[in-house]
Amino acid sequence: EIVLTQSPGTLSLSPGETATLSCRASQSVSMYLAWYQQKPGQAPRLLIYDASTRASGIPARFSGSGSGTDFTLTISSLEPEDFAVYYCQQLIHWPLMCTFGQGTKVEIK
Amino acid sequence: EVQLVESGGALVQPGGSLRLSCAASGFTFSTYWMTWVRQAPGKGLEWVANINQDGREKYYVDSVKGRFTISRDNAKNSLSLQMNSLRVEDTGVYYCAREKGSSGSAYWGQGTLVTVSS
Repeated sequence: EIVLTQSPGTLSLSPGETATLSCRASQSVSMYLAWYQQKPGQAPRLLIYDASTRASGIPARFSGSGSGTDFTLTISSLEPEDFAVYYCQQLIHWPLMCTFGQGTKVEIK
Repeated sequence: EVQLVESGGALVQPGGSLRLSCAASGFTFSTYWMTWVRQAPGKGLEWVANINQDGREKYYVDSVKGRFTISRDNAKNSLSLQMNSLRVEDTGVYYCAREKGSSGSAYWGQGTLVTVSS
């Protein structure tokens, strides 16, 4: 089973700053990685798929990069609505199995 | 507008059974893979199962194999999850979502809460 490790666990930042979130896979997932945002009491929202493609309606301040085992989600100039928990998901073995990372919480400093 | 609405969550005793449903609208249901993802209280997301367009391909996370069954009724635009032999660790919010191949899930329901407790 492929394990995704996200770091840091919590990121404390101020609005306007840049958030850099990491997702590391225990083995290569090629480009089959997605990022989601989840706010309290809400369903996850797809931000990025195929490692770097923004989903429909996602602002340009969200960008994804990486391939193989190391991936990054960058949120430029944080807006108040961006403070949330972010999850990565690997889909290299889709449809047989998909796994999520444990999440990174981006909180207001 | 794509809509997914889950129902069926409840409080159930360990060893009991429950059936979750997901009503889909706003898209051609029969042409998409569908999935169930769960989230234990205060924890992260866990992929549970998925099913192909005609219901013949189904895959499960190891922890639910033999206990949970995913199914769909394309005539009724409905997805289901039959959960048997429920355990305390099955407690959580269950989401249904529409899959886009290996590109993740862009549409999710609001979730339904399953609590397994004596």
